[in-house]
Amino acid sequence: RKEVEQDPGPFNVPEGATVAFNCTYSNSASQSFFWYRQDCRKEPKLLMSVYSSGNEDGRFTAQLNRASQYISLLIRDSKLSDSATYLCVVNRGPLNTGFQKLVFGTGTRLLVSP
Amino acid sequence: DAGVTQSPTHLIKTRGQHVTLRCSPISGHKSVSWYQQVLGQGPQFIFQYYEKEERGRGNFPDRFSARQFPNYSSELNVNALLLGDSALYLCASNFRPGSGYTFGSGTRLTVV
Repeated sequence: RKEVEQDPGPFNVPEGATVAFNCTYSNSASQSFFWYRQDCRKEPKLLMSVYSSGNEDGRFTAQLNRASQYISLLIRDSKLSDSATYLCVVNRGPLNTGFQKLVFGTGTRLLVSP
Repeated sequence: DAGVTQSPTHLIKTRGQHVTLRCSPISGHKSVSWYQQVLGQGPQFIFQYYEKEERGRGNFPDRFSARQFPNYSSELNVNALLLGDSALYLCASNFRPGSGYTFGSGTRLTVV
């Protein structure tokens, strides 16, 4: 079983739709959580951090449920430019040794069509 | 401000050769990590350096090594290249433990 699991998709949605991605992680010692966006053949870019209280950045809302070890991302009013792969990421650090390790899911591909 | 810079951007090597990849973190960032990404997968952790010391190593063979210099830049070295080492190699840095990493645009290595 992978440490971070995501539905690979693709999710095909029309412009303006709301779409939700989910992710589960298996290591309860995980310390911090993120969603990254990756365009084809480009580097991952930080979309947002994820907190238990939930956080919102414009059309994007992220939520963490530590008890269920579950992370979600909601995108409202989808734009063509949202088409990308969305990576669920768990940070196994930091520990007081300074160690940090990002563990990535395989990503969920989103295709937004006109 | 410059982001994370990596060089070279592309590289073609022959099996058995050695390669050195370079990374300069964002100014002020003291933690640098290396990741390998093969097509269709998420990046896999190779090494992390913080304050010039190795803090973690992923499940990669000893052919992979790295170091961090006094100016916090870093090198990843891979010896005795195999076809399976063909991948996008990403360097990432962050400002403080627990914050999100910023990735460089990567080095695309092809081993033939």
